[in-house]
Amino acid sequence: DAKTTQPPSMDCAEGRAANLPCNHSTISGNEYVYWYRQIHSQGPQYIIHGLKNNETNEMASLIITEDRKSSTLILPHATLRDTAVYYCIVRVYTGNQFYFGTGTSLTVIP
Amino acid sequence: SAVISQKPSRDICQRGTSLTIQCQVDSQVTMMFWYRQQPGQSLTLIATANQGSEATYESGFVIDKFPISRPNLTFSTLTVSNMSPEDSSIYLCSVEDPWSGELFFGEGSRLTVL
Repeated sequence: DAKTTQPPSMDCAEGRAANLPCNHSTISGNEYVYWYRQIHSQGPQYIIHGLKNNETNEMASLIITEDRKSSTLILPHATLRDTAVYYCIVRVYTGNQFYFGTGTSLTVIP
Repeated sequence: SAVISQKPSRDICQRGTSLTIQCQVDSQVTMMFWYRQQPGQSLTLIATANQGSEATYESGFVIDKFPISRPNLTFSTLTVSNMSPEDSSIYLCSVEDPWSGELFFGEGSRLTVL
């Protein structure tokens, strides 16, 4: 599976949009981009995933560049409860392992 | 979505002993994964456990140290053998939803080795 690169940490003001970037320049055509987050001492939680089209759900939006070499997770109105480590993962849709990178530690500031 | 229960949620163990962690899922799943998360670190995949076959271990992890059982489609165990303080970690069980590709996690088992 392709490797991902994320900034180690970011801050965001409460109520503002949090934009978390991920680089996956070696992604293959059949690999999806998944985002998970881990709030302290809990198991990771699924956020969203996509192949090449932008995706939106009740938690977030995922913007994938046209060349698919990078993506951005957008939390539209960050709250203090969004403070967590966010992981970007690329993998073939099903039947393969998930390998976690180092992630981005997002701190939402009051 | 799958609901995953892990036991124990936490334990304190003595060096040289072994501990078995149980993972129970509320639905039948093909692929189960075991991860380790050392303090302040990301998740590291230990092995993939499919029912009816031997577990597949990632580089750096061996069966003698981390034996895994997968007796049916809803249950798995991971044993941490001959423990040392370096094995102090959170151990997480996860399963894949074959329809969505989503990975679900248990709350983890926090192991402290003295």
